[in-house]
Amino acid sequence: NAGVMQNPRHLVRRRGQEARLRCSPMKGHSHVYWYRQLPEEGLKFMVYLQKENIIDESGMPKERFSAEFPKEGPSILRIQQVVRGDSAAYFCASADRLDNEQFFGPGTRLTVL
Amino acid sequence: GNSVTQMEGPVTLSEEAFLTINCTYTATGYPSLFWYVQYPGEGLQLLLKATKADDKGSNKGFEATYRKETTSFHLEKGSVQVSDSAVYFCALSPRGNNDMRFGAGTRLTVKP
Repeated sequence: NAGVMQNPRHLVRRRGQEARLRCSPMKGHSHVYWYRQLPEEGLKFMVYLQKENIIDESGMPKERFSAEFPKEGPSILRIQQVVRGDSAAYFCASADRLDNEQFFGPGTRLTVL
Repeated sequence: GNSVTQMEGPVTLSEEAFLTINCTYTATGYPSLFWYVQYPGEGLQLLLKATKADDKGSNKGFEATYRKETTSFHLEKGSVQVSDSAVYFCALSPRGNNDMRFGAGTRLTVKP
């Protein structure tokens, strides 16, 4: 059973461009979470999705950030008009049900020039 | 609200030394508690967990006991190895929702 997959592993964007981060959860997992980790800091929750639904986006910046988890295909975290402050590692995690441990992907390291 | 506070790092130990990384939490109800480990350049991996008071989670020589009376979940290992060098995160997950909260992480470096 493959683990959580994220791609790309590294992404470089110039200010003002769009960044698209993809996450494929573990097989059988319908709960997906996105976290952001700034250098030398802990993980900050961004958004929690179940298939086709955003359950909790309380950690998501109100502008430029969006997330989806379509019926088919990976979950996507989209950052429009990136700024230098968006440079961070973005981790996706999945779980098979509420309260169970989350399994993490390797992360996407976004660098904004 | 729910939160986790863990010992600030970095922590530097010699091989075979005893390790303790403190973690305390604030939560309503009875959360599940976790320790995750992050090796350089990788994502987080679950190290151990405990789901109720007095439970002891253990894995790879690491242990942590869910102490409700002190709201703590300290991570311990009797004899660390160089390969244990990583960042360790304490986390909690409240019952009935997936609002998992992480501590800031503690960087451990083990020297030969």
